Amino acid sequence: EAQVTQNPRYLITVTGKKLTVTCSQNMNHEYMSWYRQDPGLGLRQIYYSMNVEVTDKGDVPEGYKVSRKEKRNFPLILESPSPNQTSLYFCASSRNREGNTIYFGEGSWLTVV
Amino acid sequence: SQKIEQNSEALNIQEGKTATLTCNYTNYSPAYLQWYRQDPGRGPVFLLLIRENEKEKRKERLKVTFDTTLKQSLFHITASQPADSATYLCARDGGFNKFYFGSGTKLNVKP
Repeated sequence: EAQVTQNPRYLITVTGKKLTVTCSQNMNHEYMSWYRQDPGLGLRQIYYSMNVEVTDKGDVPEGYKVSRKEKRNFPLILESPSPNQTSLYFCASSRNREGNTIYFGEGSWLTVV
Repeated sequence: SQKIEQNSEALNIQEGKTATLTCNYTNYSPAYLQWYRQDPGRGPVFLLLIRENEKEKRKERLKVTFDTTLKQSLFHITASQPADSATYLCARDGGFNKFYFGSGTKLNVKP
């Protein structure tokens, strides 16, 4: 079954404590992204990756890092989380950039206190 | 950035009627537009893609149109059912390998 799996699904953390949200896809997709979803603002792209070792900033990259060491994994790193990073995060993948279906994970609810 | 605008007000319709949702975009026409369904607390799920050179696309009770003159896509659900109640997102590619989503329109289908 085609899947994008992200963990943790729910997390409450404190300001400044580094955390990583993992993302893995089993479809051999080249293109992967991270989005955050906030009320009234919709889905906003944080970072994306065209392939292994190729990553770039989306529209809201401040405060986040990513890496793509393997094709299937694309972790999102918050080095020093702040309360304004409280949000619902989605990892997504697609075969490539050319108009293919985007598959989303189930989301990770992150609260920074 | 390439904007995608969807009506933020919820659309309430009666079961059996046709629901029509609007997606407007700015700047240049994208090569394609996509529509997704999102249920509360879940990830978006792909529904349809329509390319710039296609006027209309259908899939079962769903129909999407793409008007490059109006810079608009319309998403129709015919014979709507309560199970169609969800938030529907429009998305476009924005160049430079980025992707943009609208904030979605919530559809409520009442029995």
